[in-house]
Amino acid sequence: DTGVSQDPRHKITKRGQNVTFRCDPISEHNRLYWYRQTLGQGPEFLTYFQNEAQLEKSRLLSDRFSAERPKGSFSTLEIQRTEQGDSAMYLCASSSGDSMYEQYFGPGTRLTVT
Amino acid sequence: QKEVEQNSGPLSVPEGAIASLNCTYSDRVSQSFFWYRQYSGKSPELIMSIYSNGDKEDGRFTAQLNKASQYVSLLIRDSQPSDSATYLCAVNIETDKLIFGTGTRLQVFP
Repeated sequence: DTGVSQDPRHKITKRGQNVTFRCDPISEHNRLYWYRQTLGQGPEFLTYFQNEAQLEKSRLLSDRFSAERPKGSFSTLEIQRTEQGDSAMYLCASSSGDSMYEQYFGPGTRLTVT
Repeated sequence: QKEVEQNSGPLSVPEGAIASLNCTYSDRVSQSFFWYRQYSGKSPELIMSIYSNGDKEDGRFTAQLNKASQYVSLLIRDSQPSDSATYLCAVNIETDKLIFGTGTRLQVFP
């Protein structure tokens, strides 16, 4: 059973550019989550999906952020018009409905906005 | 008041000792509690989950939950230098999302 995968692992972009990250959850996990983590902090929840439905979005998620999970499998997180404050580790996690919300994280995508 | 609080540490223990990590949470409706280990530059790794009051043991790890006092702890027996990492406490509050503490850095010295 492969774990959660994320692509790319690192992304450097200039301020104002758009970036897109991809997450592939553990197979047959129907819940997928996005978190953001900055240095010295715990992960902060951004949004989550159950199958293809986006069920919750954090107030942290400005309108520059959008996430999709079109077929209930992989998910993408897009950030438009990046700002230096978007620099962080973006983490994806998945869980199954049977596991009392145990979430398993992928390796993360480290974003640096210059 | 933060929803999940942890002492940032570092907590330094000698090899072979018991490391005790603590976490308090503010929301009484919290149902599920998790401990994650995070090595520097890596993503969090789930090591323990606990849902009921009392102790839960898994190898060298024991999670303890006290809902009346709103705290959850993690004990690591026979600590090893490879246990040196940041330990994140996470709480599930009402919905599927997890609320994390800022983590406690553990250092195990030989």
